[in-house]
Amino acid sequence: NAGVTQTPKFQVLKTGQSMTLQCAQDMNHEYMSWYRQDPGMGLRLIHYSVGAGITDQGEVPNGYNVSRSTTEDFPLRLLSAAPSQTSVYFCASTLLQGGELFFGEGSRLTVL
Amino acid sequence: GIQVEQSPPDLILQEGANSTLRCNFSDSVNNLQWFHQNPWGQLINLFYIPSGTKQNGRLSATTVATERYSLLYISSSQTTDSGVYFCAVGTGGFKTIFGAGTRLFVKA
Repeated sequence: NAGVTQTPKFQVLKTGQSMTLQCAQDMNHEYMSWYRQDPGMGLRLIHYSVGAGITDQGEVPNGYNVSRSTTEDFPLRLLSAAPSQTSVYFCASTLLQGGELFFGEGSRLTVL
Repeated sequence: GIQVEQSPPDLILQEGANSTLRCNFSDSVNNLQWFHQNPWGQLINLFYIPSGTKQNGRLSATTVATERYSLLYISSSQTTDSGVYFCAVGTGGFKTIFGAGTRLFVKA
């Protein structure tokens, strides 16, 4: 029973490099989202998706790109990493609008 | 947008003590959840509680939606309760907004 799986768990990038954080869920949830967690600020919503082919922006979308080609996967892309994107990233999913959120274990990203 | 405020920001307890964490929100919500982030960074669902009261072992939660607050009670605290407790609310769409958290340290 995997739930929400994120990879990689740790990543170090240089400024300007690109990368993709992977997120997959096996619960057949329609809604998936990405959050970033910075010290003392709780979790902030980056992007979310309400189903395959449908994505929308959250509170802090700049510098990130998403797509949703399948129900199971929701990757987060950094096209040109910046030090301000150093953070811990969490992927979450839920079955229903307003339903209980389930989180992956997080991905710690450092941009030098 | 909706504001979520948690108090206290930091809390130190002696093992065995009880505590109450509070979450205030500035607008009507359709759902509310409490999470525990353990020292390894994992986010663990504690309660999904848009209204009413729920209990799970030593933990219980109450949400009074009409007065825009929720409380998380921890009784007989243990060192494993240490970590950060987050309140998160949703207002009817698909966005869930988090408070800044209460950092709890339980001393042995």
